[in-house]
Amino acid sequence: DVKVTQSSRYLVKRTGEKVFLECVQDMDHENMFWYRQDPGLGLRLIYFSYDVKMKEKGDIPEGYSVSREKKERFSLILESASTNQTSMYLCASSSRRIQSNQPQHFGDGTRLSIL
Amino acid sequence: GDSVTQMEGPVTLSEEAFLTINCTYTATGYPSLFWYVQYPGEGLQLLLKATKADDKGSNKGFEATYRKETTSFHLEKGSVQVSDSAVYFCALTDAGNMLTFGGGTRLMVKP
Repeated sequence: DVKVTQSSRYLVKRTGEKVFLECVQDMDHENMFWYRQDPGLGLRLIYFSYDVKMKEKGDIPEGYSVSREKKERFSLILESASTNQTSMYLCASSSRRIQSNQPQHFGDGTRLSIL
Repeated sequence: GDSVTQMEGPVTLSEEAFLTINCTYTATGYPSLFWYVQYPGEGLQLLLKATKADDKGSNKGFEATYRKETTSFHLEKGSVQVSDSAVYFCALTDAGNMLTFGGGTRLMVKP
């Protein structure tokens, strides 16, 4: 089974801090994604990456950056955390080697609170 | 662009009742269709999938059939359990790697 591991289930930070959310997958997937999930807004794509050192903006990239130095690891960075970034963050990965339209596999999520 | 519409919840059922959660989609190509489930406090898990018209995905007693003529992928289960209480997301991916999600439907099953 695919395993996507997010480093923290719960995280509390203060306004203005630089926050790192880490995600690791063990299936050699090329694609990795970061979403945030908010009540009434569903899942929204923040950033994604097709390969090492590659990144693409999703629907709501403002206030975030990402890093993909190794294939298995995709980090989400909040440069200067703000209270409106309090949310559930979900990491996902998928393969595109075999065929297209493969499902994404998700981690358990990090519930981030910014005080 | 692509879009997924699913029925708004919450859906409240008694144990052993029949479940249907409606999902319709619009897509320009030939999408693959998915149902994901999110249990309280957890991430999304892939429940089932279908990659072409008339395919039926099934898992854990849940089923959904890819209906191209009606652009639908409704989720069904014959007899729900309390443990099925969760949020269910319909999604599609079309010609690549991006997922388009529906808004999610919360299911509450009472004993």
